[in-house]
Amino acid sequence: AQSVAQPEDQVNVAEGNPLTVKCTYSVSGNPYLFWYVQYPNRGLQFLLKYITGDNLVKGSYGFEAEFNKSQTSFHLKKPSALVSDSALYFCAVREGGGFKTIFGAGTRLFVKA
Amino acid sequence: EAQVTQNPRYLITVTGKKLTVTCSQNMNHEYMSWYRQDPGLGLRQIYYSMNVEVTDKGDVPEGYKVSRKEKRNFPLILESPSPNQTSLYFCASRTAKTGAGDTQYFGPGTRLTVL
Repeated sequence: AQSVAQPEDQVNVAEGNPLTVKCTYSVSGNPYLFWYVQYPNRGLQFLLKYITGDNLVKGSYGFEAEFNKSQTSFHLKKPSALVSDSALYFCAVREGGGFKTIFGAGTRLFVKA
Repeated sequence: EAQVTQNPRYLITVTGKKLTVTCSQNMNHEYMSWYRQDPGLGLRQIYYSMNVEVTDKGDVPEGYKVSRKEKRNFPLILESPSPNQTSLYFCASRTAKTGAGDTQYFGPGTRLTVL
């Protein structure tokens, strides 16, 4: 069965510092991994995905994520956080070729000026 | 502009009063899904559809119905809403092709309150 864990409910970081939002997953086949961001009173916006290829994936707004197969992780990172990055972040996984996407519970990121 | 639209955006109703939340996409996507978002639980899939007249249950289908009579539309039906269906609902669509274009697009959400 597929599952996604986001072990931190909340991450606090100072503006200008690097940020990491953690995600681990479990899937029986090849994983398709995604990160989405949700701003207050808005829908989900796609940030980046890993399907195949280079383990380091670059996405929107300066975010990147590294696929680590041995640790079954897909942590989201940004070298220098902005106050405007404060939002709710969701990691999601789908088994390659499958129909169902499983989302993590979400991690709220607070970036302090 | 490529988009997924949902209506209504906000709805307050009473227990037992049938309602429908509409979803439409203009990207000719084969796959469409409904999710509900609850605090601490993330998004959970209610139903999904692989194409016209092909639907299947997700993880939390109880109390919901869907139909897919046209490729662009995927309405969510609550025949007898109950307070535990108070939630934020998202419709999403994606292409059946895998690879670079394989990304779900989400609607803006429908906040439903059942009294």
